[in-house]
Amino acid sequence: GQNIDQPTEMTATEGAIVQINCTYQTSGFNGLFWYQQHAGEAPTFLSYNVLDGLEEKGRFSSFLSRSKGYSYLLLKELQMKDSASYLCAVKDSNYQLIWGAGTKLIIKP
Amino acid sequence: NAGVTQTPKFRILKIGQSMTLQCTQDMNHNYMYWYRQDPGMGLKLIYYSVGAGITDKGEVPNGYNVSRSTTEDFPLRLELAAPSQTSVYFCASWTDSYEQYFGPGTRLTVT
Repeated sequence: GQNIDQPTEMTATEGAIVQINCTYQTSGFNGLFWYQQHAGEAPTFLSYNVLDGLEEKGRFSSFLSRSKGYSYLLLKELQMKDSASYLCAVKDSNYQLIWGAGTKLIIKP
Repeated sequence: NAGVTQTPKFRILKIGQSMTLQCTQDMNHNYMYWYRQDPGMGLKLIYYSVGAGITDKGEVPNGYNVSRSTTEDFPLRLELAAPSQTSVYFCASWTDSYEQYFGPGTRLTVT
């Protein structure tokens, strides 16, 4: 079956670093996405990994290990505006995205 | 470009009523998607389309119908609304690049 697991909620301190993990088991794999979703808003794209390794984009980095079915999103120098849900999604072979339930990140001053 | 637009933003339906959620994109994307998102949950795919005239079921298609007569428009039809269809509905479009573009969402309550 198709399964994507993420922690339900995480708490971190402003200025710190946080790592949000995602593990997946899907019938096909054509890339892994991370999206940010603020409460009451639509998801917005953060990153895309299709090959193993680390992709860095400013304060955000995303890592993928296809052999382990594992990814993480790393957020550095946390700001209050980073309080949001972070959704992990896998693109399967049929041009569909399979979505995790999301990780709610709470930033404390 | 307006991107992906959805109407209405909010709607309250009575059980058994029907309605159409509108979705339009002006980016000439071939792929379009309808998702629903229940509180605290991820996105569930209802229907998708890979081009005009082609639609396919996603994970949770029961109670919904779609059509894709043009590249731009991908309406979602709810027939005989039920309380279980209370949710936030997002339309998204995609091309051969890797980013899905989302509309602002429609918040639907069925009572």
